Amino acid sequence: DSGVTQTPKHLITATGQRVTLRCSPRSGDLSVYWYQQSLDQGLQFLIQYYNGEERAKGNILERFSAQQFPDLHSELNLSSLELGDSALYFCASSVGIQNYEQYFGPGTRLTVT
Amino acid sequence: GQQVMQIPQYQHVQEGEDFTTYCNSSTTLSNIQWYKQRPGGHPVFLIQLVKSGEVKKQKRLTFQFGEAKKNSSLHITATQTTDVGTYFCAGKDGATNKLIFGTGTLLAVQP
Repeated sequence: DSGVTQTPKHLITATGQRVTLRCSPRSGDLSVYWYQQSLDQGLQFLIQYYNGEERAKGNILERFSAQQFPDLHSELNLSSLELGDSALYFCASSVGIQNYEQYFGPGTRLTVT
Repeated sequence: GQQVMQIPQYQHVQEGEDFTTYCNSSTTLSNIQWYKQRPGGHPVFLIQLVKSGEVKKQKRLTFQFGEAKKNSSLHITATQTTDVGTYFCAGKDGATNKLIFGTGTLLAVQP
């Protein structure tokens, strides 16, 4: 158990819909990262927050957005869902901004039908 | 943009054989991390290398960071069935500070 929690574990929704994935980092960690893992794309970095502020952006679509709240939990919002958005979404946390190991949550499996 | 490639994509070995996965970046890295993901699980941090030419060992696992800080390798001696999983390298680009995960190597170990 990494100490990072993610909800829900599984999510099945239809194309065009909007969903919110939630992540609680390890106690004491200020950085939160979001990743998308699909079979053909590997592990893709989406976005990083540090203490409520956006710090780095990866290959995140405009239909996706995220935020980190004052209690440090984070949410990833996915809208206008497409079939290709079906994937495993991981949240990870680390103590600081740079050069720190990341602890991954168990992931949320999103299926868009 | 920065790319981090790993080879091989897949390796099947007999238990007891050695295994090596290689990680190559198109840009110089400030550090490199290695993660292991068991089937159905999430990535778990193994180690971080920071210095040019650095070598670190964890029991049967040996990690190396290249002199030019553009490549890295993970070598497992005498594989065991518990080594099964996908091994990812993750390089932090020195210019952008983004951590880019490699494509991963799936290791299968036959008892």
